[in-house]
Amino acid sequence: DQQVKQNSPSLSVQEGRISILNCDYTNSMFDYFLWYKKYPAEGPTFLISISSIKDKNEDGRFTVFLNKSAKHLSLHIVPSQPGDSAVYFCAASVSNFGNEKLTFGTGTRLTIIP
Amino acid sequence: DSGVTQTPKHLITATGQRVTLRCSPRSGDLSVYWYQQSLDQGLQFLIQYYNGEERAKGNILERFSAQQFPDLHSELNLSSLELGDSALYFCASSAVGGGAEQFFGPGTRLTVL
Repeated sequence: DQQVKQNSPSLSVQEGRISILNCDYTNSMFDYFLWYKKYPAEGPTFLISISSIKDKNEDGRFTVFLNKSAKHLSLHIVPSQPGDSAVYFCAASVSNFGNEKLTFGTGTRLTIIP
Repeated sequence: DSGVTQTPKHLITATGQRVTLRCSPRSGDLSVYWYQQSLDQGLQFLIQYYNGEERAKGNILERFSAQQFPDLHSELNLSSLELGDSALYFCASSAVGGGAEQFFGPGTRLTVL
């Protein structure tokens, strides 16, 4: 049962334009959501997170939006840069002090075209 | 650099063998998580240790076990290896009360021949 879904395996965006990566979840108990970026031969790198009490969180070029009623979140990258080319994973957790295991989506490969 | 280290980086072994993967968490982090990433799959949670004690289990096979030592480093033991165990194995750590942000090591690529 895939509780976190990233339905687009890949996405190509022109440099300077907006990249929008999407993620859907089914478990209504999830209350914390994260985005990770992964380059080949490296571990995932934490990018940005959002608590279920918010609907938006910004950090520089990265903004995450959460729509709880639709069980949907998205990551916006503006403007997109060549270094943003990587695989992006959406993850979710249920707050449980000291036990926040992450449930990951299957990832979206983002390619920024110069 | 996340501050989480994993050794070895690559491991090639044969079916039926046993291997040990090692992880050192970020300084001060008490929680260690192990994840498996098979080809074209997302990361699957295996097991979590918190300050030396097992805290949560995911889809971990009975042939796999882990432990966390007093110095907080952790080892994942994989035995009776099968071809399907070939995967990337990641360790992550998090701070107490630090929310769900976990910081990942570079991973160990296991190839079972």
